[in-house]
Amino acid sequence: AQTVTQSQPEMSVQEAETVTLSCTYDTSENNYYLFWYKQPPSRQMILVIRQEAYKQQNATENRFSVNFQKAAKSFSLKISDSQLGDTAMYFCAFMKHLSLAGSGNTGKLIFGQGTTLQVKP
Amino acid sequence: AAGVIQSPRHLIKEKRETATLKCYPIPRHDTVYWYQQGPGQDPQFLISFYEKMQSDKGSIPDRFSAQQFSDYHSELNMSSLELGDSALYFCASSFLGTSGRFPQYFGPGTRLTVL
Repeated sequence: AQTVTQSQPEMSVQEAETVTLSCTYDTSENNYYLFWYKQPPSRQMILVIRQEAYKQQNATENRFSVNFQKAAKSFSLKISDSQLGDTAMYFCAFMKHLSLAGSGNTGKLIFGQGTTLQVKP
Repeated sequence: AAGVIQSPRHLIKEKRETATLKCYPIPRHDTVYWYQQGPGQDPQFLISFYEKMQSDKGSIPDRFSAQQFSDYHSELNMSSLELGDSALYFCASSFLGTSGRFPQYFGPGTRLTVL
């Protein structure tokens, strides 16, 4: 079974500074996806960034980037130039990668416990 | 762009009553997922449907059932409601492409309160 662990329940950062959120996971799978989702006070779940395990290059989306260390099973999120709108709960999530239809690839997400990020003005 | 639609957005029920939550996935998405998020918790997977067939089942109580219809919308039926069922219920959808499964996009959620 897969598990996802976020060891930082709460973090804070000053506006315009950089912050890194940690995530570790455990799996025996070799091929999988990892995601970061953002949940602002509105409670909407918003996809921030995704990483395929078979890709060595770290994913980047504007101010958001990841540091994916497959051997260490670590997947951290770096937010650069933090903005007040980045204040939210951030969830790390794991999904198996199976490319065959009907092969049991349900694509369910397994989430970590979440990290509450407060961006201060 | 079209997003996942959930209705109702808020629902208040009494204990032992029944509730039905509806989900309309993004057009051309072939898979629907249901998650339950309790207060201060991470979302927990309940059940999923791929091409209208149940594809996976998580920690869904026997009092709950779900189905996906011919138009791909899905309904989560919850009976004999308990206080502990009060939560935010998310529906998400995705599709299986030739290179693998695409990310899930979530609806706004239905907030269920059981009194």
